[in-house]
Amino acid sequence: DAGVIQSPRHEVTEMGQEVTLRCKPISGHDYLFWYRQTMMRGLELLIYFNNNVPIDDSGMPEDRFSAKMPNASFSTLKIQPSEPRDSAVYFCASSFSGTWWISGRDEQYFGPGTRLTVT
Amino acid sequence: KNQVEQSPQSLIILEGKNCTLQCNYTVSPFSNLRWYKQDTGRGPVSLTIMTFSENTKSNGRYTATLDADTKQSSLHITASQLSDSASYICVVSPLGFGNEKLTFGTGTRLTIIP
Repeated sequence: DAGVIQSPRHEVTEMGQEVTLRCKPISGHDYLFWYRQTMMRGLELLIYFNNNVPIDDSGMPEDRFSAKMPNASFSTLKIQPSEPRDSAVYFCASSFSGTWWISGRDEQYFGPGTRLTVT
Repeated sequence: KNQVEQSPQSLIILEGKNCTLQCNYTVSPFSNLRWYKQDTGRGPVSLTIMTFSENTKSNGRYTATLDADTKQSSLHITASQLSDSASYICVVSPLGFGNEKLTFGTGTRLTIIP
């Protein structure tokens, strides 16, 4: 398997523009996570899905952020309108199960990330 | 206040030397503690996962220890190599959850110099 795939790898946009980040999880995984990473705050969970259904979006900063998972192999994170403070690296991760006691099967696999710069 | 604190923030050591990274957490109760390695420009990769009942776990030259009483963990790297240059992130999962509610530290940036 190619691992978690994210696109684009880098995105530079102007304030106010819409940004869409894409993720393809590892085939067979039933959990998908979106994270944001900054120097100041480290990795923060934005939202996660189980079997394509959003379970917890409490980490989404505000209404400008939205995420969808129309099928098991694709998810998007959209920011509209974008602001300079949204500049960060956005990671997608997937895992087979959320239960840690199933040894070796709940490991979370991260994609390479999308570096977003909003000017 | 971050529930997972790591120290030092950055560390530079000579190739071949050993080093120890520290993690203090307040997440309680917790089910497992993980150490991730993140190379520049890449996503984090898991090194070790320890449950609350384990006190040590090794992965090659990496050894993680856990003291649940003092809520401290350490990652010891033996005979460091240039490829060990990366950020190391301590992650705690609260009891009752798998990886849905991970709390991440801000990491230690390790640089190995020849």
